[in-house]
Amino acid sequence: AQKVTQAQTEISVVEKEDVTLDCVYETRDTTYYLFWYKQPPSGELVFLIRRNSFDEQNEISGRYSWNFQKSTSSFNFTITASQVVDSAVYFCALSETLSSGSARQLTFGSGTQLTVLP
Amino acid sequence: SAVISQKPSRDICQRGTSLTIQCQVDSQVTMMFWYRQQPGQSLTLIATANQGSEATYESGFVIDKFPISRPNLTFSTLTVSNMSPEDSSIYLCSVVPLTGMNTGELFFGEGSRLTVL
Repeated sequence: AQKVTQAQTEISVVEKEDVTLDCVYETRDTTYYLFWYKQPPSGELVFLIRRNSFDEQNEISGRYSWNFQKSTSSFNFTITASQVVDSAVYFCALSETLSSGSARQLTFGSGTQLTVLP
Repeated sequence: SAVISQKPSRDICQRGTSLTIQCQVDSQVTMMFWYRQQPGQSLTLIATANQGSEATYESGFVIDKFPISRPNLTFSTLTVSNMSPEDSSIYLCSVVPLTGMNTGELFFGEGSRLTVL
């Protein structure tokens, strides 16, 4: 069965510091997708990125960057020059094929609460 | 992408009552799911809402407690029956848009925050 581990429960940084959120996953599928979602205090889940298992290129989007290492089954997320508005719970998730083969479901990690202090 | 509306956004309920949450999507979607997020916890999949047939429940969730309907491709309801304080959670509707079928990307509603007294 698939599993996503976010070992960091809470992280606090001071504004402008860089911070990396760790994500380690387990799966038997050869084809899968990895995601990061942000959940601000308001509660909605905001999609940040999707990465498929065949694409190990790192990605940068503004202050966000993602490091996918298939060899270590990790998909880490770095925020550069953090800001107070980055304070949220961040979830890593894994998507696999359902047993019926017809759709996929997301397995979420336990989340990392990031607090950025002014 | 898909715009998902959930109602109610929040509610305070009495023990023993039932509440139905609605999820409306602005476009046809292939899959609809219901997740639960207990306070301070991650998201747990309750069930897959199947159009025109019974929902597919995950281990630990049963139809009598969480009946689900999906009469068409854009609408679903989740009922939390005979509520107890342990049911206090955020309940989230999520969908796989037609264009998202091959990636597994989910779009989420804003959630329905239930507090059971």
